[in-house]
Amino acid sequence: NAGVMQNPRHLVRRRGQEARLRCSPMKGHSHVYWYRQLPEEGLKFMVYLQKENIIDESGMPKERFSAEFPKEGPSILRIQQVVRGDSAAYFCASSPPGGASDTQYFGPGTRLTVL
Amino acid sequence: QKEVEQDPGPLSVPEGAIVSLNCTYSNSAFQYFMWYRQYSRKGPELLMYTYSSGNKEDGRFTAQVDKSSKYISLFIRDSQPSDSATYLCAMIRNNNDMRFGAGTRLTVKP
Repeated sequence: NAGVMQNPRHLVRRRGQEARLRCSPMKGHSHVYWYRQLPEEGLKFMVYLQKENIIDESGMPKERFSAEFPKEGPSILRIQQVVRGDSAAYFCASSPPGGASDTQYFGPGTRLTVL
Repeated sequence: QKEVEQDPGPLSVPEGAIVSLNCTYSNSAFQYFMWYRQYSRKGPELLMYTYSSGNKEDGRFTAQVDKSSKYISLFIRDSQPSDSATYLCAMIRNNNDMRFGAGTRLTVKP
């Protein structure tokens, strides 16, 4: 059973470009969470999605950031017009439907560097 | 004030030492408490989780929760160099969003 997959593992963008980060949850998981980790800081919750629904986006910046989890395909975290401050590691986690709150499994992360 | 406070360290101990890692939190609504281990440039992996106050043991690891003091701990016995990693405490309210501590970087020296 493959774990949570994220791609790309590394992404370099110039200021003003768009970044698209993909997350494929574990098989059978329908809940996806996105987190951002800055150097020397812990993981910051961004958004919680179920298939075709955003459940909680309280951690998402109000502008330039969006997330989706379509019925088919991976979850996408999209950052428009990236700025240097967006450079960070972005982690995705997934959990099964109706699972206990502890069962979040993390992917390897995408490291975004904005030049 | 941060919701979850964790001393970032770094913490360096000799092999075989007992390691104590701690977090405090401010919101009494947190119900589930976890410890994650994160190796450099990897995703976090779940080590321990607890729901109620008290101790939970798994091999060399013991997780302790004191809800009255809003304080959680992770103890590592007989620490090994392979335990060198960043340890993140995490906790969840009842709506599935997780809050993490900043992580404590641990080095176990042979």
